[in-house]
Amino acid sequence: DTEVTQTPKHLVMGMTNKKSLKCEQHMGHRAMYWYKQKAKKPPELMFVYSYEKLSINESVPSRFSPECPNSSLLNLHLHALQPEDSALYLCASSLGEARNSYEQYFGPGTRLTVT
Amino acid sequence: GENVEQHPSTLSVQEGDSAVIKCTYSDSASNYFPWYKQELGKGPQLIIDIRSNVGEKKDQRIAVTLNKTAKHFSLHITETQPEDSAVYFCAASIRKGRRALTFGSGTRLQVQP
Repeated sequence: DTEVTQTPKHLVMGMTNKKSLKCEQHMGHRAMYWYKQKAKKPPELMFVYSYEKLSINESVPSRFSPECPNSSLLNLHLHALQPEDSALYLCASSLGEARNSYEQYFGPGTRLTVT
Repeated sequence: GENVEQHPSTLSVQEGDSAVIKCTYSDSASNYFPWYKQELGKGPQLIIDIRSNVGEKKDQRIAVTLNKTAKHFSLHITETQPEDSAVYFCAASIRKGRRALTFGSGTRLQVQP
């Protein structure tokens, strides 16, 4: 099973709202990722967690705040977003660097619209 | 900076024909090259991958080839079917030990029945 689940599927929020995206996997993966994908563009890396610690932040604005409560869960907290932040937010996971595994498996994404 | 280029941006073939998508990468330290298929409204699905110590890999109707010297790799789909219609992304892991992916710009494949 290579399933990564994401909730909600769709989210509409105002610029003053606070919301969270959730990602879950039960494959024993120890690396988890957030990507942002704009329409007709490839995914762009935002954050990487390795063994529940933030290992990469691709200079993402602080209005995006990631959290990894445990090895199966990854959250992305959103606050004071801008309309240009509207995109598909993808979560992915992989076994992890220490296990010399490369394959990343993506969830279905959360379609975010900021009004 | 690092770069993965992908061509063509769109590709239309007749059902049963073959389709080839090509990518080039810039960093010779890259050692892992996956291909993803993304259908409308879905996340990218890993369909095949290749590591730098292998020149070719095949899985049923799809195959990937890698030329390390030229720094390019290609996806080959034979006997295309309408359900192969999707956007295909190549990617490269371009930082040693980091395993983060950089994607190509994508190819929209349309298989005409």
